[in-house]
Amino acid sequence: DAGVTQSPTHLIKTRGQHVTLRCSPISGHKSVSWYQQVLGQGPQFIFQYYEKEERGRGNFPDRFSARQFPNYSSELNVNALLLGDSALYLCASSPTPGQGTEKLFFGSGTQLSVL
Amino acid sequence: AQSVTQPDIHITVSEGASLELRCNYSYGATPYLFWYVQSPGQGLQLLLKYFSGDTLVQGIKGFEAEFKRSQSSFNLRKPSVHWSDAAEYFCAVVERGDYKLSFGAGTTVTVRA
Repeated sequence: DAGVTQSPTHLIKTRGQHVTLRCSPISGHKSVSWYQQVLGQGPQFIFQYYEKEERGRGNFPDRFSARQFPNYSSELNVNALLLGDSALYLCASSPTPGQGTEKLFFGSGTQLSVL
Repeated sequence: AQSVTQPDIHITVSEGASLELRCNYSYGATPYLFWYVQSPGQGLQLLLKYFSGDTLVQGIKGFEAEFKRSQSSFNLRKPSVHWSDAAEYFCAVVERGDYKLSFGAGTTVTVRA
């Protein structure tokens, strides 16, 4: 079975542009979470979606938005890019959003560079 | 404030030597505890987790971790490291009843021959 797939793997944008990152969860998983990992830091939670509804949001500005589609894939959108948005964006999927996250699987991420 | 602390930014260890990575957390109640490993260009792989019960937890790749409630710690150990263990290691916690992982800043492990 395929794992969590993210596209693109690398992306270069300039300040002020917007970007869309994509994630396909493991087959059968209905929950998708997004994390931002700035160089030298641990990942930080951005969003979680379950059954196409937002279940949680981290401490990120409104420039960050996401959605989940009927096939449970997800998009993360970032508007008005800033240099500080340069990071590895990780997607994780799980069967449900429930406690413990013991069945949480991460993709390899999208490396976004903002120039 | 809730936090996860990994005091060691970088550790260098000889192949075959033992390894211990430290993790401390500050939460009101004991959270769920995890250790993840990240190799360059890769996502995060779960090494082991602690929810309850036996405080010594066995994981994959020969790793183990010990939960110490009195010290709010969850340190990761491996008796004999291999060159392939060179990677970044993250301690993470989830508050019980929540679903968001909170990660420490990570510890980079270098293995020398």
